[in-house]
Amino acid sequence: QSVLTQPPSVSGAPGQRVTISCTGSSSNIGADFDVHWYQQLPGTAPKLLIYGNSHRPSGVPDRFSGSKSGTSASLAITGLQAEDEADYYCQSYDNSLSGVVFGGGTKLTVL
Amino acid sequence: EVQLVESGGGLVQPGRSLRLSCAASEFTFDAYAMHWVRQAPGKGLEWVSGITWNSGSVGYADSVKGRFTISRDNAKNSLYLQLNSLRAEDTALYYCAKARGASYDQSGLDYWGQGTLVTVSS
Repeated sequence: QSVLTQPPSVSGAPGQRVTISCTGSSSNIGADFDVHWYQQLPGTAPKLLIYGNSHRPSGVPDRFSGSKSGTSASLAITGLQAEDEADYYCQSYDNSLSGVVFGGGTKLTVL
Repeated sequence: EVQLVESGGGLVQPGRSLRLSCAASEFTFDAYAMHWVRQAPGKGLEWVSGITWNSGSVGYADSVKGRFTISRDNAKNSLYLQLNSLRAEDTALYYCAKARGASYDQSGLDYWGQGTLVTVSS
């Protein structure tokens, strides 16, 4: 059971918009710790997609966006493309555990 | 381009030890916190441990606390993870990852190695 809760899977057709939620608590996201998002393509290492809740590293398309409110965060992907099919993870810090925490991951399927 | 290359993985019996290394290059190693993150076969990401830029603060997941030890040698641009009292559930691909900042609590992890596989089995 992960500290941060994500839906196991989401899907969408090419060109559509999908969102992935990440629900935490008052000891992590709700304690004002930043949320970061990662994309993991099959057989590869994770890649930072969003940092500091809503910032994109250089090279990440603006189709990807992040937001945070209260004890939750969301990753939105617009203009869905076949190459977006991957696992997505949220990450934050938990002050009760005194450690970094990841969500369980969400598998995105492009129909 | 930032490079992180892990080594030291392998097949080990339960209860034995292993030391993982991560060689870093193409960035100012001693300015950033570093992490170890693992991924069991077919499972999600699990944070293992983090260390600040100057080794002043370290953190561990509860699942490895008291068994694993993180360290770094800034002169050698290297990160280490000593794994003791290994269990079957420690079997995973272990990634070395660079933090975006000097502390390991607030920053995202902006560069990852390709991982080194640790298999614990008799």
